[in-house]
Amino acid sequence: AQSVAQPEDQVNVAEGNPLTVKCTYSVSGNPYLFWYVQYPNRGLQFLLKYITGDNLVKGSYGFEAEFNKSQTSFHLKKPSALVSDSALYFCAVRPGGNKLVFGAGTILRVKS
Amino acid sequence: DTAVSQTPKYLVTQMGNDKSIKCEQNLGHDTMYWYKQDSKKFLKIMFSYNNKELIINETVPNRFSPKSPDKAHLNLHINSLELGDSAVYFCASSQGMGHRGNIQYFGAGTRLSVL
Repeated sequence: AQSVAQPEDQVNVAEGNPLTVKCTYSVSGNPYLFWYVQYPNRGLQFLLKYITGDNLVKGSYGFEAEFNKSQTSFHLKKPSALVSDSALYFCAVRPGGNKLVFGAGTILRVKS
Repeated sequence: DTAVSQTPKYLVTQMGNDKSIKCEQNLGHDTMYWYKQDSKKFLKIMFSYNNKELIINETVPNRFSPKSPDKAHLNLHINSLELGDSAVYFCASSQGMGHRGNIQYFGAGTRLSVL
């Protein structure tokens, strides 16, 4: 079965510091990987996706993600965290067809 | 204008009742979804419709019945509500069935509490 794992329940970072939210995947064939963010009491918002091509994908709000095939990882990164980045982040894979399979989510807390 | 809108936003009801959640999208998409987010924030697909046809049904109890009157709407009806149905239900939409790279757009969610 195709899946993603987010090993950290929570990530804490100081404002202005770089942040990384980890995601590893298990898929057969070419992976289609996504990152979504959920702010409190809101729906999920798309951040970025990897389909093919450049391993560094740039997305919304200054986020980027690095696809690493040898480590089967797709970590979300941002060079300088903002307090407003505090939210729940989901990594997801699309194994085939139309459904998204989500990781368990990682809470990001950015402290000023 | 909200792209994917769900109503109601909150739903509190008693066990055994029947309730419906409505979803509408104004993005012109042809595919719509229902996801369930449990108390631990775990998200899982329930159903997907493409052009009003059911294409995904992920071992959801028969008490849950989606209905798609047209491409822009996907409603979720739940019979005989149980305590375990308490969750946040998200509607989503996308364009182009079979395109694995297409983006799904989510509504704000409906928080269902069964007492």
